[in-house]
This record gives sequence, C-alpha cells and structure tokens, in this order.
Amino acid sequence: KAGVTQTPRYLIKTRGQQVTLSCSPISGHRSVSWYQQTPGQGLQFLFEYFSETQRNKGNFPGRFSGRQFSNSRSEMNVSTLELGDSALYLCASSLGQGPTHYGYTFGSGTRLTVV
Amino acid sequence: AQSVTQPDIHITVSEGASLELRCNYSYGATPYLFWYVQSPGQGLQLLLKYFSGDTLVQGIKGFEAEFKRSQSSFNLRKPSVHWSDAAEYFCAVVPFNQAGTALIFGKGTTLSVSS
Repeated sequence: KAGVTQTPRYLIKTRGQQVTLSCSPISGHRSVSWYQQTPGQGLQFLFEYFSETQRNKGNFPGRFSGRQFSNSRSEMNVSTLELGDSALYLCASSLGQGPTHYGYTFGSGTRLTVV
Repeated sequence: AQSVTQPDIHITVSEGASLELRCNYSYGATPYLFWYVQSPGQGLQLLLKYFSGDTLVQGIKGFEAEFKRSQSSFNLRKPSVHWSDAAEYFCAVVPFNQAGTALIFGKGTTLSVSS
C-alpha cells in the first residue's frame, strides 16, 4: 500500500512570504501529525489533526497553522516566513491519535529553505 | 526538567563491530520509549518501542534495546554493524500520562560505519 506522501519535496521561499505544505496519509489513517526538524532544535512537534480537528499543538507561534480535510489529507501553512523556519517538515500518519497505540508512519518530508 | 538525552552526538564503528547507542530520560514515571532511525533524505522509521513487560526489546534490522529503570536508560544495541546502518538514530518518549500526545525526541546520534 502507498506510504505517506508529502509534497513538495523541496521548496525555496523568500522571507515574508507564506507557504503551504501537503501531507497525504496512508489510506484509512485518520491522524496526521507534523514535526519540524532543524539542526539546532532537533525534532519538535507542531500539531496533530484527527478527524479534521486539531487535537494537540506544540509550542510554535501562530504563524504556523494547519488543517485536515475529510479525506484525512492535511496541510500546514507558515505565514510571514523567517530564516529560522528553514527546516525539514515531517508528517506522520496513524490510525488513531498519538504515536503509542497504533504507531506512526512518517513521510520523507518537505525541505523548506527560506532565503 | 523533563528531558530525553542522547549523550553521543556522533559515533564511528567498524563494520562487523558491536554498537551501543545511549539514551537517558528524566521523567517522574517511566514514559513510553522509542528508537527511530533516519537515513539521509528520508523520514523516520521505527526500530523498536518499549511500553512495559520484558525489559529487553527486539526490533527490526537486528536491533535490540534494554530498558533499565534504575538508570533511567533505554540503550540501543546491535551485535554486528553493517555499512547500511550508517544513519541518524533518535531516542524518543511519550510521557506516561500523555499517551495520546506527541513524541519528544532526543537530539540524535549520527552513526558512521568504517570499513
């Protein structure tokens, strides 16, 4: 079966712009979580959506937002991009909420570079 | 403060030699424990996890991990390393009373394999 698909794989944006990243989970999975990976801060949780509702949110500014559609596909948006937003953004899909009971499957990520 | 620590940033091991990657956590109650691997340009793959029971856990790719409550550790081991094991390894936890939430990652250990 198809894995978790993240698009685009690579993205270059200019400071001040906004960006939208997409994640298509494994068929049947209802939860999508987003993580940011940077060399300095490591892997940090952004938010989780389950059945179109945000269930959990990490400690990120309001510039970072997301949503989930009825087919479980999720998008995250970053507005007013800063250089520090350059990162690998990973999404993870799961049958249920959180990584413990059903486990996560991660996508390969979107590499965002802000110049 | 609650934390996950991977003391070794970078380890080099000869092919065929044994490997141990360290992970310590600081939580009041034993959290749910995970090890993930990330190959260059890829997402994260779950190697193994520990929730309760037998303290020696077997995972994929010949990896195992041992939970030691007295040392608050969950070290990853492999008896004989292959060149394809070169990657970045992350220890992660979910606090025991937050099972439906997100992974909290250590900073990672980069494994290089020499021939």
